[in-house]
Amino acid sequence: DAKTTQPPSMDCAEGRAANLPCNHSTISGNEYVYWYRQIHSQGPQYIIHGLKNNETNEMASLIITEDRKSSTLILPHATLRDTAVYYCIVRPKISSGSARQLTFGSGTQLTVLP
Amino acid sequence: DAGVTQSPTHLIKTRGQQVTLRCSPISGHKSVSWYQQVLGQGPQFIFQYYEKEERGRGNFPDRFSARQFPNYSSELNVNALLLGDSALYLCASSLGGAGGASGINNEQFFGPGTRLTVL
Repeated sequence: DAKTTQPPSMDCAEGRAANLPCNHSTISGNEYVYWYRQIHSQGPQYIIHGLKNNETNEMASLIITEDRKSSTLILPHATLRDTAVYYCIVRPKISSGSARQLTFGSGTQLTVLP
Repeated sequence: DAGVTQSPTHLIKTRGQQVTLRCSPISGHKSVSWYQQVLGQGPQFIFQYYEKEERGRGNFPDRFSARQFPNYSSELNVNALLLGDSALYLCASSLGGAGGASGINNEQFFGPGTRLTVL
């Protein structure tokens, strides 16, 4: 699986946008970019995923560069409850019968400051 | 609807003992995956089961085993516990199936985990 690189930690002021970068320079054409987050002592939570187009849902926006070698997760108005470890994961398109594991790195610890 | 449930929430064992962790997936989900998360690291994949068959296995020793039952619940067993097995054990469920493009069928929903401490 392609690997990802994320900064170990970031701070963001409450109410401001949090922009979390991820490098995935070895991503291949059939691999998606997924984002999960893990609030302390809880299981990871799915946020968003995309292939090559920008995506937006009720939680966040995902911006993927044209060459697909990097992406940015945007939390438009960060709150204290967004403090968590954010994982960027590259995952191949799923085919029937194949394992569907997620390969987590170390992620980015986002701390939202009051 | 209930999410993924795991039991017990916490467990303390001593070296050499055996442990069984349990997971109930979201109703209708047929696939269960197990992950180990050591303190300070991201979760590491252990097993995936779909329709009661093992579909994937991570880089873990044979001391780790699992099974999935007809109701799609699952158990993870760890024998001959080592201090290094102390971790948060996470279960994730998904609908499974082909799912086409990376569709919702393949999304994994995680439980709260079981915190295992080996003394």
